[in-house]
Formats: sequence, structure tokens, C-alpha cells
Amino acid sequence: AAGVIQSPRHLIKEKRETATLKCYPIPRHDTVYWYQQGPGQDPQFLISFYEKMQSDKGSIPDRFSAQQFSDYHSELNMSSLELGDSALYFCASSPSTGLGNRYTEAFFGQGTRLTVV
Amino acid sequence: GEDVEQSLFLSVREGDSSVINCTYTDSSSTYLYWYKQEPGAGLQLLTYIFSNMDMKQDQRLTVLLNKKDKHLSLRIADTQTGDSAIYFCAENPTGKLIFGQGTTLQVKP
Repeated sequence: AAGVIQSPRHLIKEKRETATLKCYPIPRHDTVYWYQQGPGQDPQFLISFYEKMQSDKGSIPDRFSAQQFSDYHSELNMSSLELGDSALYFCASSPSTGLGNRYTEAFFGQGTRLTVV
Repeated sequence: GEDVEQSLFLSVREGDSSVINCTYTDSSSTYLYWYKQEPGAGLQLLTYIFSNMDMKQDQRLTVLLNKKDKHLSLRIADTQTGDSAIYFCAENPTGKLIFGQGTTLQVKP
């Protein structure tokens, strides 16, 4: 069965550089979520999209932005990277029933490991 | 996860049962979840329980929910070395998942 695809799997960037992470949800899933997991930490919600519109926002820095495209894939853009941005970034998708509604299952990708040096 | 708390570590012997506990704060969560994360890997949804249920069994996994005490547990029967991983419980009061800190399960042969 198709799963959530994230690319790249690993990324190394220098401080102050820009990074773009991509997420391809499971087919027919219309909701995408982004999470950040620091070393030894639990995943923290960043932002979500439903039908190409932002549906919820968590602890996402102003330096980060994201969008969902017409084919439902999503990109997380990160600028002015800091050492503290080094983390595992997960994307998840779900067949949400609608904006703000509670899904039953969210499926996660394998994550992108971002290292800022 | 400030709203979801778990014990950080559990060690069991292969073949024993493992019980991982979790407390949450938001009673409006419709579903509660257990995810498994192996080293360097993504989050795998193990099981979830509807908040109106008090028990759900799925093969070796049993989820118990005490809604009054906001307590959730995951029991793994006949624990195997392949079960070694970090287990996260999560709630979703507003449509996004809020995770606990994760419990590292160590299975000794």
C-alpha cells in the first residue's frame, strides 16, 4: 500500500541557509500535517493543511512557511536556518472529514533528518 | 508533550507482558492513539481507541482507557525483541496530535 513519501530523507545545511522539505501524502488523503521532532523529544506539531488551505498552526517559527499544492503534496520552507532547527521533520496525512474535524488515523512518513552545521 | 505524560523507560524480558501507561489532560479528545517509533524510523500507528470505549484488543495489543482518570495504557502480550522501540501515546483534542514524551521499551532476551 502507498505510504506518505518525504524527500529528501537526509539534508545537511549551513547556518543561515534555506531548506525545502517535500511531502507526498497517501492518495486521496486531503489533509497534511508537519511535525518537528528534536533529539530525544516527542514530535511537536508545526502546521497543517486541508484542501490546500492552512487548517491549524502550532509552534512553527516565522522563518518557516508551508503550503499545500493542487496535487495535495506539501512543502515546508525553512529560511535563516539555525543550529536548533536540526531535527527530524515528519509529515503525516489523513483522510480528514473536513476543516477542524477530528480524523481517526494519521499516517506518518519516514521523516527528513535535517542537520544544520 | 506537556498535556500528555508517560513514563520514560520500561524494561521487560522476552515473553513477558509489557504495560505502558499514559495520562492525558484534554477530555475532549475523540480518539487516543499509540504510535511506535523504531530507531531512526518514522512513527507507526499501532492502534487507537475511541473515547467512548474502555478497551480495545488487537492481536497482542490491548488498550485500556479510563476516561474518568484520563489514563490510557497499552499492554503488549508475549513481548518480543522486535517490540523494542519508543512508544508514544497521543491525543487529538483539536484535530492535531499531541504526543507524550515517549516510553522506551527495552526487551531483554
